Amino acid sequence: GAVVSQHPSRVICKSGTSVKIECRSLDFQATTMFWYRQFPKQSLMLMATSNEGSKATYEQGVEKDKFLINHASLTLSTLTVTSAHPEDSSFYICSAVRGGVNTEAFFGQGTRLTVV
Amino acid sequence: QKEVEQNSGPLSVPEGAIASLNCTYSDRGSQSFFWYRQYSGKSPELIMFIYSNGDKEDGRFTAQLNKASQYVSLLIRDSQPSDSATYLCAVKDSNYQLIWGAGTKLIIKP
Repeated sequence: GAVVSQHPSRVICKSGTSVKIECRSLDFQATTMFWYRQFPKQSLMLMATSNEGSKATYEQGVEKDKFLINHASLTLSTLTVTSAHPEDSSFYICSAVRGGVNTEAFFGQGTRLTVV
Repeated sequence: QKEVEQNSGPLSVPEGAIASLNCTYSDRGSQSFFWYRQYSGKSPELIMFIYSNGDKEDGRFTAQLNKASQYVSLLIRDSQPSDSATYLCAVKDSNYQLIWGAGTKLIIKP
């Protein structure tokens, strides 16, 4: 299967600082990338969908000024959590999809964010 | 609102038995169907995908799709303790959007 690399895998930051998470598709061009958040023992929650070269589409209730998404190329999308607070602590996961109808999503390894 | 529904479980199955996981979806125009497995603290990983009505087998896993009933299932034969995980159903709908179920937690008891 295709490889999606997410970095960093784990980060601890102070309250009020910003954290950038990278998601790269290593061996294919990802027309669409998705960002999810998952709290302990809960399901994946889609935060936003990003298409290369255009603004991300955020799900209801997700603050676009707080969670900045940039999809600058067909192989890279970034999520920046700005002015992080302890309640932003979560497991953030990206996935990437190749173009086409019958194509599956490939997931990055996830980033465990802890805001102290 | 387009939905994908799964029983949250936990579903407890004895080792060696068949585990049956079910998923229903609301968009009749849905195109393709995926089963992912997620271990605690890890990202989901793809197990199988199915596009056409009927059964698709891959090793111990069988995906079953019934578009008329808007139902997709995953069977795991000869269940092993290592199969214990949360299983996520995902459906690509008529707008090519990927809609996720909430997942079913499966526990295989030795």
